Amino acid sequence: AQKVTQAQTEISVVEKEDVTLDCVYETRDTTYYLFWYKQPPSGELVFLIRRNSFDEQNEISGRYSWNFQKSTSSFNFTITASQVVDSAVYFCALSDPLQGAQKLVFGQGTRLTINP
Amino acid sequence: EAGVVQSPRYKIIEKKQPVAFWCNPISGHNTLYWYLQNLGQGPELLIRYENEEAVDDSQLPKDRFSAERLKGVDSTLKIQPAELGDSAVYLCASSLGRASQTQVGNEQFFGPGTRLTVL
Repeated sequence: AQKVTQAQTEISVVEKEDVTLDCVYETRDTTYYLFWYKQPPSGELVFLIRRNSFDEQNEISGRYSWNFQKSTSSFNFTITASQVVDSAVYFCALSDPLQGAQKLVFGQGTRLTINP
Repeated sequence: EAGVVQSPRYKIIEKKQPVAFWCNPISGHNTLYWYLQNLGQGPELLIRYENEEAVDDSQLPKDRFSAERLKGVDSTLKIQPAELGDSAVYLCASSLGRASQTQVGNEQFFGPGTRLTVL
């Protein structure tokens, strides 16, 4: 069965610090997708990134970057020069290929607080 | 483009009462999902629709939960009767449907959710 573990329940940093959110996943499948979502206080999950299992290139989007390492089954998310607006709960998710990759298995989330 | 719309945003009921949640997905999205999110947890899938068909309802507690998606657009999730343990946020999401076996990993777009409190 697929499983996603986000060991960091809560992280609190001061604005402008860099912060990395960890995500470790378990799957027996060779084809799968990994996602990161942001859930601000308003409650709506916002899609951040999708990565397929065959693409291990790291990705950078502005202050956000993602490090995908199949060897350690990790898909970590780094925010550089954090801002107060980055405060939210962040979820890592894994698609379930048995369901045609339409079923997402989420981690428990990491609550990130950026203090001014 | 409008996002996924859900109503109501908040609902407070007494146990044993019925409750219903409504979802309007993004226009053109064939796939619709209902998730349950308990406090401090990630969302868990309750049911997935491909157009009008419920293709995955294995996690839906069918003794008290029901869902429908008439005409393959809007969807309603119902609980009858509600129990104290049903207090949670109910999220609706939508995505483009699979055109083929190779079209996988479509991102899901979520609504703001309905926060249910059962007293």
